Parts: sequence; C-alpha cells; structure tokens
Amino acid sequence: SYVLTQPPSVSVAPGQTARIPCGGNDIGRIGAHWYQQRPGQAPVLVIYYLKDRPSGIPERFSGSNSDNTATLTISRVEAGDEAVYFCQVWDGDSDHWVFGGGTKLTVL
Amino acid sequence: QVQLVESGGRAVQPGKSLRLSCAASGFTFSNFAMEWVRQAPGQGLEWVALISYDGKKLYYGDSVKGRFTVSRDNFENTLYLQMNSLRVEDTAVYYCAKVGQQWQPIYPVDKWGQGTLVTVSS
Repeated sequence: SYVLTQPPSVSVAPGQTARIPCGGNDIGRIGAHWYQQRPGQAPVLVIYYLKDRPSGIPERFSGSNSDNTATLTISRVEAGDEAVYFCQVWDGDSDHWVFGGGTKLTVL
Repeated sequence: QVQLVESGGRAVQPGKSLRLSCAASGFTFSNFAMEWVRQAPGQGLEWVALISYDGKKLYYGDSVKGRFTVSRDNFENTLYLQMNSLRVEDTAVYYCAKVGQQWQPIYPVDKWGQGTLVTVSS
C-alpha cells in the first residue's frame, strides 16, 4: 500500500520560513494535497495538487515538489500557523485516499 | 454558506452497530462526492469512505471495508455511514467532508464538518 512519510515535528521562529516535507513514491506525478488542522478544529485545505492555493488561503502558503518529496512552505510564519499539517494523495492502484502521519508545526 | 453537521456519535459496546448522519446545506448536494474521515484521539487523519455524487461509486478504507457502508439521500441532502461490528479501534471523531469539485469523485476536500465522536468500549 502507498505510504506518505512526514516528520513528526518542525519548529520555526516567528517571521521565518517553515518547510514541511512529505515523501512518497512518484508523488510529483500523483499530486499531493495539504491540510492544516489547528487544535480542536476540523482540517482546512491549504494547498491542492502540489501547488495550487484555495481562495482565502494567504499567499504565504505555497507548495512544491522535487523527486519523491512534496513540500509545504509557509513564509513569514505567524503564531496562528501553529497546527498539524497533513499531506494526502489518491492511490490509484488501491483506490484509496492516503494521509501522511502529520507534522506538528511549532512557532517558537 | 456550506454547512455540514454530523450527528449520531455516541458510546457503544464492541460488536454493536451505529449509524452516523451528516446534514448538508448551502450547496447543491447532489452534484458533489462526499467522504467520511476519522481521527482517533491524539492521532492523525484516516480516510474511511467515499461516495460519488450519484451514489453509484463507493470506496472504502481497508480497516472498515466489509463492516461500514456509506450511502446518501440526495433528496434529503444527507450523507450516512452505517457502522457494523464496531471495534475498540473504531473509536474516533468522524468527520463528514465535501469534495471540492462537482461531479468528480477524486478531488481534495474543501469543506469539513465539525465531527461527531464515536466511542467503542465495553
């Protein structure tokens, strides 16, 4: 079955840039989506198909990919960005949605 | 505005059944695929099931296949999840979620409900 690998945590100071990786086989071709989940809240889509941003999501959020890793980049990090970020892909071989384990972003 | 309101979550014993509902409003329900995603306490997200806009295509996660059934009533704008043979490991908050593109079953979610808690314990 398809596996997505995320680091459990990333820490960054306010105003700096956070980069959250998501590793998966051929993820650039499949296309990954990113969700933000603040404590006690439902997830929110922040990036879809690797780099597209839904309306209402700040331009500080961007996505990219290289080799077998998709990356969510958050520029000029704010305290309100502190959350768990999940990547997701559709595995066409099994017809399953797959989530990464999630990365907790801590703003120092 | 789009609203998804889940209901039906409660404490139940292992082996029992439960049906969750999700009342949808603020969009043309019959045009969009819908999903259930769950989150065990303190854990990550786990995809449970997906149903196409017309109810003809159904997809399930491996851990629930054969025990859970997703369905929808496009006249009542309601999504359902029938859960049978519940296990302790099914304990989670269950989210109802709307797919972001009309007619497409495979597309990221653009709206989530607030979730309903299912606790399976003896």
